[in-house]
Amino acid sequence: EDKVVQSPLSLVVHEGDTVTLNCSYEVTNFRSLLWYKQEKKAPTFLFMLTSSGIEKKSGRLSSILDKKELFSILNITATQTGDSAIYLCAVYIRLGSNYKLTFGKGTLLTVNP
Amino acid sequence: DTAVSQTPKYLVTQMGNDKSIKCEQNLGHDTMYWYKQDSKKFLKIMFSYNNKELIINETVPNRFSPKSPDKAHLNLHINSLELGDSAVYFCASSQDASGGAYSYEQYFGPGTRLTVT
Repeated sequence: EDKVVQSPLSLVVHEGDTVTLNCSYEVTNFRSLLWYKQEKKAPTFLFMLTSSGIEKKSGRLSSILDKKELFSILNITATQTGDSAIYLCAVYIRLGSNYKLTFGKGTLLTVNP
Repeated sequence: DTAVSQTPKYLVTQMGNDKSIKCEQNLGHDTMYWYKQDSKKFLKIMFSYNNKELIINETVPNRFSPKSPDKAHLNLHINSLELGDSAVYFCASSQDASGGAYSYEQYFGPGTRLTVT
């Protein structure tokens, strides 16, 4: 069975800290890995990773994929209270001629002032 | 302009009732999805449509029936609602799923919080 496992499940930090969120996967037909941020409502897209070793960066957030060891990390530097959210990792898996997105259970990040 | 919209935002109903949730996207995407997010925030795909055609149907009870009148709309009808159906239902869309969806991110609607009493 395809699995996407995120760790930790929850994390509490202080403003200014740097955090690393982990996502490992065991899937049969990996195509790409995505990170989403979910605050109160809809998940919003952060990154898509398809190749190993190429870091994607957006402001204080960055992410990298290791297809050999089957994991990805999401780094957030100089955290702010606005970074408090659930961070979701998802993997596109091939299903016949189609593709489906399988999500991990998320990491709940709380950034305290 | 709202990219993916859902109605209603909240739905409270009694067990045994039938209800529908509507979804519309104005992004010109070919593919639309329904997801269920349970109380533990686990997001799981239910259905996927590409150009009005059902392409993914996960293990979902027959009481759930999606309908896509055109590629911009995907509605979800639920018969004989049960307590366990209480969740947040998200609609999403993306570009071409059958051709290479793994290259495209999915855009999510604001969700419909369904409470069955």
